[in-house]
Amino acid sequence: KQEVTQIPAALSVPEGENLVLNCSFTDSAIYNLQWFRQDPGKGLTSLLLIQSSQREQTSGRLNASLDKSSGRSTLYIAASQPGDSATYLCAAPSGTASKLTFGTGTRLQVML
Amino acid sequence: SAVISQKPSRDICQRGTSLTIQCQVDSQVTMMFWYRQQPGQSLTLIATANQGSEATYESGFVIDKFPISRPNLTFSTLTVSNMSPEDSSIYLCSVEIGGVGTEAFFGQGTRLTVV
Repeated sequence: KQEVTQIPAALSVPEGENLVLNCSFTDSAIYNLQWFRQDPGKGLTSLLLIQSSQREQTSGRLNASLDKSSGRSTLYIAASQPGDSATYLCAAPSGTASKLTFGTGTRLQVML
Repeated sequence: SAVISQKPSRDICQRGTSLTIQCQVDSQVTMMFWYRQQPGQSLTLIATANQGSEATYESGFVIDKFPISRPNLTFSTLTVSNMSPEDSSIYLCSVEIGGVGTEAFFGQGTRLTVV
């Protein structure tokens, strides 16, 4: 059974700082891993999808890495902005099935 | 990507009643899922909505409590039956456009409060 853990649970940083969010998973037989953003009371917005054959994926100020052998993924946010304040969730599939197992999220607050 | 519309966006319901949530996608999709997010928690998969056949439920979720329909490749409904305050959650519909292993997209969610 896939289990996903995210640390830290919460993070507060000043604007402009670079930061790293961590995600670990127990079943390394995954074909991808996905990062999402969730604003309070809202649905999920897909940020990045990393295929198992990739080590990194970039979108704007976001960069996600994947190390299947160690069961880890990181989301790097460069030059953080107040608009980045949200909860960030990583999700890994359960084996070869499409159904996703989510971490508990990192709640990020970027201060002016 | 996909545009996913969920209705209603929120509702307040009396205990013992039922609520049906609709999920409409702007393109045909193979995989559709329903998730629940309890207050302060992460998402938990309720079931996979299968087109033309019964949904596949995860451990802890049963058809009598969460009946699901999927009449075609663009639409699904989730009913929360005989509600109690413990059912107060955000319910989210998710799709994978390209099938297994492709990017998952989510609707904006339905925030349900049971009083």
